[in-house]
Amino acid sequence: SQQGEEDPQALSIQEGENATMNCSYKTSINNLQWYRQNSGRGLVHLILIRSNEREKHSGRLRVTLDTSKKSSSLLITASRAADTASYFCATSLSGYSTLTFGKGTMLLVSP
Amino acid sequence: ETGVTQSPTHLIKTRGQQVTLRCSSQSGHNTVSWYQQALGQGPQFIFQYYREEENGRGNFPPRFSGLQFPNYSSELNVNALELDDSALYLCASSFSGAPYEQYFGPGTRLTVT
Repeated sequence: SQQGEEDPQALSIQEGENATMNCSYKTSINNLQWYRQNSGRGLVHLILIRSNEREKHSGRLRVTLDTSKKSSSLLITASRAADTASYFCATSLSGYSTLTFGKGTMLLVSP
Repeated sequence: ETGVTQSPTHLIKTRGQQVTLRCSSQSGHNTVSWYQQALGQGPQFIFQYYREEENGRGNFPPRFSGLQFPNYSSELNVNALELDDSALYLCASSFSGAPYEQYFGPGTRLTVT
C-alpha cells in the first residue's frame, strides 16, 4: 500500500500562476521528499524536508510539513510550461532509507 | 540527468517468460534500490541491495529477485512473468552515508503480453 496521497490528482494552470499540491501520509516519518517525473521517465529529486523542519525553500519551490496533521504541501511559484510533469511525495521511516510514494499529482502548465 | 543508467529502455515479453533488467549506479554510490511503477501509480519499493546483499524487501513475491555486483551495479530478475508485471521499473542508487538521497535512473518499460 502507498503511504502518501497527493491532492489534487490533476491540476491545470496558466503560465505565471502558482501551483499548490498537497500530500498526506499515515505514519510517523523521518523525512518527506518531493520528486518530479516527466512523461513516465525517471524521477528527479526536488527537495527533502526533515520531520523536525516546518518549511523549506529551493528556488521557486516552497515545501511545508505539518507532522501533527501528517501532511505536506509543495508550492511552485510563477509556473512555467516546463514545470508540466507529475509530482510525487515520498516518505521515509526512521532507520529505513526506502521510499514510500503516493500516486502523484499531474500538473499541466499552459503557455 | 543523474549518473544512473538502466538497460534496456523498453522490453516486450510474453507471459511465463523470464526477464533481466540492469542498472549501473552513480559513481561513489554503494546501495541500489528497485521500484515498480504501474501506469498511473506511484513507484512501489521492490528491494534494496547493499554490499551485494539484499537489505530490505517490499511486498513482492520471490519470483522477483536481484543481484548486486562488486562494482555496485545491479540486476532485477523476474521469473514467470504475469500481465500485471507490465510497468516502468526504476532503479535508484545512493551512498550509505546519505541514504535518503536517492538518484533515479530513466527506467525500463516492461510490457508483458
